[in-house]
Amino acid sequence: NAGVTQTPKFQVLKTGQSMTLQCAQDMNHEYMSWYRQDPGMGLRLIHYSVGAGITDQGEVPNGYNVSRSTTEDFPLRLLSAAPSQTSVYFCASSGADTQYFGPGTRLTVL
Amino acid sequence: AQSVAQPEDQVNVAEGNPLTVKCTYSVSGNPYLFWYVQYPNRGLQFLLKYITGDNLVKGSYGFEAEFNKSQTSFHLKKPSALVSDSALYFCAVRPFYNQGGKLIFGQGTELSVKP
Repeated sequence: NAGVTQTPKFQVLKTGQSMTLQCAQDMNHEYMSWYRQDPGMGLRLIHYSVGAGITDQGEVPNGYNVSRSTTEDFPLRLLSAAPSQTSVYFCASSGADTQYFGPGTRLTVL
Repeated sequence: AQSVAQPEDQVNVAEGNPLTVKCTYSVSGNPYLFWYVQYPNRGLQFLLKYITGDNLVKGSYGFEAEFNKSQTSFHLKKPSALVSDSALYFCAVRPFYNQGGKLIFGQGTELSVKP
């Protein structure tokens, strides 16, 4: 199993640009989540999904959209990038209890 | 408000000495508790979890953690530290009533083990 995969690994955007961060898992997990990691703040939940077609907001959802059309994929969309969205983004999936994380996407918004 | 606190930004330990990384939480009910480790430029790796049962749980790489309900703590421990244990450690909590997709994280503790 590849586990949780994320693409791209690195991305540089200009303010106002849009992009999609990809996340896929091959463990048939129901739950998938997106977090952002900023220094000294731990990981904060952006959006999560409890199954295909069902998503909900986390702690810091503004400026991000998600959808979940399949069990495997959970893309995160930045609608109009802002410098405040410079961060490292992690996708995670879980079954009954334990979340497993992807390798992350390091995003810089200029 | 639900929260997780890791009171030490950094912990310094000599190789071979025991280590403790502290975590306290403020969540109602009986939460699920987790420890993750992050090596530089890598994702988070699962170390161990407490769901129910014995208060002392054992995990990967010789780590263990002790759940203390009265003190709402879940400290990570290892009897003998290795230089390779140097990394960023996160404590996380899932309130029992939450669905699987939601974890609350502490801010992280940088562990430095010197030879």
